[in-house]
Amino acid sequence: GDSVTQMEGPVTLSEEAFLTINCTYTATGYPSLFWYVQYPGEGLQLLLKATKADDKGSNKGFEATYRKETTSFHLEKGSVQVSDSAVYFCALRGDYGGSQGNLIFGKGTKLSVKP
Amino acid sequence: EAQVTQNPRYLITVTGKKLTVTCSQNMNHEYMSWYRQDPGLGLRQIYYSMNVEVTDKGDVPEGYKVSRKEKRNFPLILESPSPNQTSLYFCASSLSGVGANVLTFGAGSRLTVL
Repeated sequence: GDSVTQMEGPVTLSEEAFLTINCTYTATGYPSLFWYVQYPGEGLQLLLKATKADDKGSNKGFEATYRKETTSFHLEKGSVQVSDSAVYFCALRGDYGGSQGNLIFGKGTKLSVKP
Repeated sequence: EAQVTQNPRYLITVTGKKLTVTCSQNMNHEYMSWYRQDPGLGLRQIYYSMNVEVTDKGDVPEGYKVSRKEKRNFPLILESPSPNQTSLYFCASSLSGVGANVLTFGAGSRLTVL
């Protein structure tokens, strides 16, 4: 079945450092890909998404490109801030109904940014 | 404000005492889902509903029940809670259950079963 694998955390960076969180997926068809973020004590919220190959999703300085040839959707940010400290989830959603349309999450990567 | 509302946010209960976690959305979404979040395991889907009166099991349905009598509500029922159901629970909804439709999450319900 469909699956998402993302890098294990936790990741600790200094402010203004470059961030990459790797995410690869296995899916049939043409899934949509997402990054969700969970700030401490809150629910998940959408960070960005991409719906087809070579699409780039971007938001709040974060970017991720849908790479079908490498089945990847790595999250990047050029200069992280303390306020970016959170847990980041990569996810995919199939283009079919029923269970194949459910959102499948990676296990999450905790990011801590130090001043 | 468009949102998913869960209640209670925090609950401590004892083994075997039935409880219900309510979930309500005000966005006229067809698709609703329950997840549990546990350290090291990420989010795992418990049940989902593609529309009113249509529910189906997710990855970890054992010990849980749901119903979808109205479009806006999707309660999660624990008939006889056990300590292994201690977890953080999230309800979520989206316009439909396919494609690029974005899930909107509730703030979470932290449940402790003693």
